[in-house]
Amino acid sequence: AQKVTQAQTEISVVEKEDVTLDCVYETRDTTYYLFWYKQPPSGELVFLIRRNSFDEQNEISGRYSWNFQKSTSSFNFTITASQVVDSAVYFCALSGYSGGYQKVTFGTGTKLQVIP
Amino acid sequence: DTGVSQDPRHKITKRGQNVTFRCDPISEHNRLYWYRQTLGQGPEFLTYFQNEAQLEKSRLLSDRFSAERPKGSFSTLEIQRTEQGDSAMYLCASLSVQGGGNTIYFGEGSWLTVV
Repeated sequence: AQKVTQAQTEISVVEKEDVTLDCVYETRDTTYYLFWYKQPPSGELVFLIRRNSFDEQNEISGRYSWNFQKSTSSFNFTITASQVVDSAVYFCALSGYSGGYQKVTFGTGTKLQVIP
Repeated sequence: DTGVSQDPRHKITKRGQNVTFRCDPISEHNRLYWYRQTLGQGPEFLTYFQNEAQLEKSRLLSDRFSAERPKGSFSTLEIQRTEQGDSAMYLCASLSVQGGGNTIYFGEGSWLTVV
C-alpha cells in the first residue's frame, strides 16, 4: 500500500518570502519514485520533479529546491523568493516500481497563495 | 501539440445519461492512466493500460465505468447512467516504460458536471 500525506492544506505567504511544502510518504517498495506536480487554476497538472529512491541528493532548479530524506520518508519542496505566479495547488506523488512503474498515488495537495 | 490530449474538456450532462471521454496519449507512450479528481482532493487512480491491456482497476471504478484502449493508442472512459457523485475532473496521463521509464505526463483533464 502506498500513501502520501501533505499535512498543509493551505499556505499564504507574501511575495518574496520563502515557503516550504511538506510531503511524507509510506511505501513497502524498496524502489520507488517521488514526484511534485503543480496545478494552476486552469487544472492541468504540470510536472516539476521526479526523484528515485536511491538518489537522496537535494536538487535545485532556479527558485525551486527539493529535500529528499529517506530516513524520515519525506520529500519537501521549497520555493525561494515566492512570486504571485507560484500560486497554485501543489501535489506530492509516489509511484512504486515493481517490474515497471505502478500507479501513482497523490497526496491531497497544498494550496499555495502568494500575496503581492 | 505533442502532449496528452483529452476531449471534451467540459461536459455537462443530466443524471442518468451516458458520457464518454477520450484520451490521446503522447504517441510513443505505451502506458496510459485514468485518474479522477474532485474539488479539494488529489487525483485518485482509476485504471491503467499497458498498450491495449488493462492491467489494474481501482475499486473506485464501479460497474458503470468502463475504459478501453483497443489499439494501444487512444483510450476512452465511459460512464453509464451518470450520477451527481460522478461530477469531477477526469485526468488522463501517459508514460513510456521503455528504457526504465520517464515522467508521467498529464492531459488538461475533462470536467464532468452531472445535473
